Amino acid sequence: DAGVTQSPTHLIKTRGQHVTLRCSPISGHKSVSWYQQVLGQGPQFIFQYYEKEERGRGNFPDRFSARQFPNYSSELNVNALLLGDSALYLCASRSQGAYAKTQYFGPGTRLLVL
Amino acid sequence: KQEVTQIPAALSVPEGENLVLNCSFTDSAIYNLQWFRQDPGKGLTSLLLIQSSQREQTSGRLNASLDKSSGRSTLYIAASQPGDSATYLCAVVQGGGADGLTFGKGTHLIIQP
Repeated sequence: DAGVTQSPTHLIKTRGQHVTLRCSPISGHKSVSWYQQVLGQGPQFIFQYYEKEERGRGNFPDRFSARQFPNYSSELNVNALLLGDSALYLCASRSQGAYAKTQYFGPGTRLLVL
Repeated sequence: KQEVTQIPAALSVPEGENLVLNCSFTDSAIYNLQWFRQDPGKGLTSLLLIQSSQREQTSGRLNASLDKSSGRSTLYIAASQPGDSATYLCAVVQGGGADGLTFGKGTHLIIQP
């Protein structure tokens, strides 16, 4: 079975632009979470979606938004990009919404904002 | 607010040695704790998950322990190999689970051939 997939793998944007990142969970997984990892730091939680509903949100500004589709894939949108948004964006999936389950991470999308 | 600390930040040891990585968390009301491995520029690979009711988990040369009351976990790597070189991250889930994983900054491990 394929693991968690993310697209694109790399992205370069300029300040003020908008970006959309995409994630496809492992087949059968209904929960998707998004994380931001700045260089040298651990990942920080942005959003969690389960059954197309937002179930959790981290301490990020309203410029960050996300949604989950009927096929359980997800998009992360970031508006009005800032230099500080440059990071590795990671998507994770797990079966159902049960947080007892292991989270499986994708390879990430590396975003550079100039 | 939960905070996760990992010590040491970096570690370099010769091949074959046994080693211990440490993780501590400030709020003991966790649901589970997970150890991950991250290779440079890559995503995270799950190594072990310990439920709050468990004391340890083992997978191959890896053993993770959890002392929830003291807010500590250790990852023991036996007979280290150069392929173990990576950053190791510890993360916890709070009881509610809605806030996702809270990660430490990781331990950067280098195994010298």
